[in-house]
Amino acid sequence: AQTVTQSQPEMSVQEAETVTLSCTYDTSESDYYLFWYKQPPSRQMILVIRQEAYKQQNATENRFSVNFQKAAKSFSLKISDSQLGDAAMYFCAYRSGDTLAGSYQLTFGKGTKLSVIP
Amino acid sequence: DAGVIQSPRHEVTEMGQEVTLRCKPISGHDYLFWYRQTMMRGLELLIYFNNNVPIDDSGMPEDRFSAKMPNASFSTLKIQPSEPRDSAVYFCASTINQNTEAFFGQGTRLTVV
Repeated sequence: AQTVTQSQPEMSVQEAETVTLSCTYDTSESDYYLFWYKQPPSRQMILVIRQEAYKQQNATENRFSVNFQKAAKSFSLKISDSQLGDAAMYFCAYRSGDTLAGSYQLTFGKGTKLSVIP
Repeated sequence: DAGVIQSPRHEVTEMGQEVTLRCKPISGHDYLFWYRQTMMRGLELLIYFNNNVPIDDSGMPEDRFSAKMPNASFSTLKIQPSEPRDSAVYFCASTINQNTEAFFGQGTRLTVV
């Protein structure tokens, strides 16, 4: 079974600064997808960024980027120019790429609570 | 599209009562998932459907929980009888296929007193 570990229960960052959230995972599969979801106080789970394991290039979405290290099974999220609206819980998630196994569900880490200091 | 729609947004019920949570997935999405979020256990998959057929219900905690998907636009998660330990946020999510991300509803916060 796959596991996802987020070792930082809480993080804080000054507004306009950069912060990196850590995520590691354990899998024996070679084909999979990784995601970062944001959960603000409204409770809505919002996709921030996704990474396909077969792609060597790190995904980026505006101020959000990842550092994907496949050999190390590491998938960190970098938020640049942090804004007050970035304050939320951030969840790292894994999904298998094995279509035959039909494992379409997400396995989540326990989350990191990010606070942004004005 | 309005996204994944869940109802009710909040539910407070007494122990022993039946609770039904509802979900309308995004039109055209073939996969529907029910997740539960608690402080202790985080986000856990309960069950998921493909084309209205339950594929994996190994996450359903016990027989008190049941889920149905009578058609492509509606699913229910029922707890009968409810217990205080069922208190959690229940999320519904849908996706087109494995190569796309899952879209989540706003969740139902269930409190069993």
